Amino acid sequence: DTEVTQTPKHLVMGMTNKKSLKCEQHMGHRAMYWYKQKAKKPPELMFVYSYEKLSINESVPSRFSPECPNSSLLNLHLHALQPEDSALYLCASSQVRDSGYTFGSGTRLTVV
Amino acid sequence: EDKVVQSPLSLVVHEGDTVTLNCSYEVTNFRSLLWYKQEKKAPTFLFMLTSSGIEKKSGRLSSILDKKELFSILNITATQTGDSAIYLCALVPGGTSYGKLTFGQGTILTVHP
Repeated sequence: DTEVTQTPKHLVMGMTNKKSLKCEQHMGHRAMYWYKQKAKKPPELMFVYSYEKLSINESVPSRFSPECPNSSLLNLHLHALQPEDSALYLCASSQVRDSGYTFGSGTRLTVV
Repeated sequence: EDKVVQSPLSLVVHEGDTVTLNCSYEVTNFRSLLWYKQEKKAPTFLFMLTSSGIEKKSGRLSSILDKKELFSILNITATQTGDSAIYLCALVPGGTSYGKLTFGQGTILTVHP
């Protein structure tokens, strides 16, 4: 299995809702990442997990809460989002300190 | 701060043309340079370049890194409509900042039949 799987593919949520994005990989990668991408812009790093521990938080607002339950799974919990948070959320994984990043197909999030 | 600049920002060509996309950078320490193709969703990996002057090829695509002049190019020969996409280059940092890929703005390539 050489893929990073993200669910759901599309999500529409209200500003008072709580939802979660899920990411799964079975490549044995021990580093996992969340990126946010707005239209016609490059991806921006949000969080990095290394060996299931949060190693980088790029000053992301607390309405985004990451979780890494085990080495194969990465979640992003969403609460009280704003319309400007609408974007494509990409998960990626790699071996720690390796350049071989694999991206998932993303979740297209719309906040209404 | 690390900086990666891609040019051109957009490019329109016809099928069969050859295109050259540029990625220049101002980075003091990096591990490798990556090229990705992004259509509607996930960026898909094209090349990883770590050594200067060694060309990597995959079908009609090729890429090379010049560490002296601080740039990389991505060549696509005999373009097809399926090559239409955003092409992103990204630098992988050295040291302990792994994961913090620095992306360029991307080049939007449109190939007309």
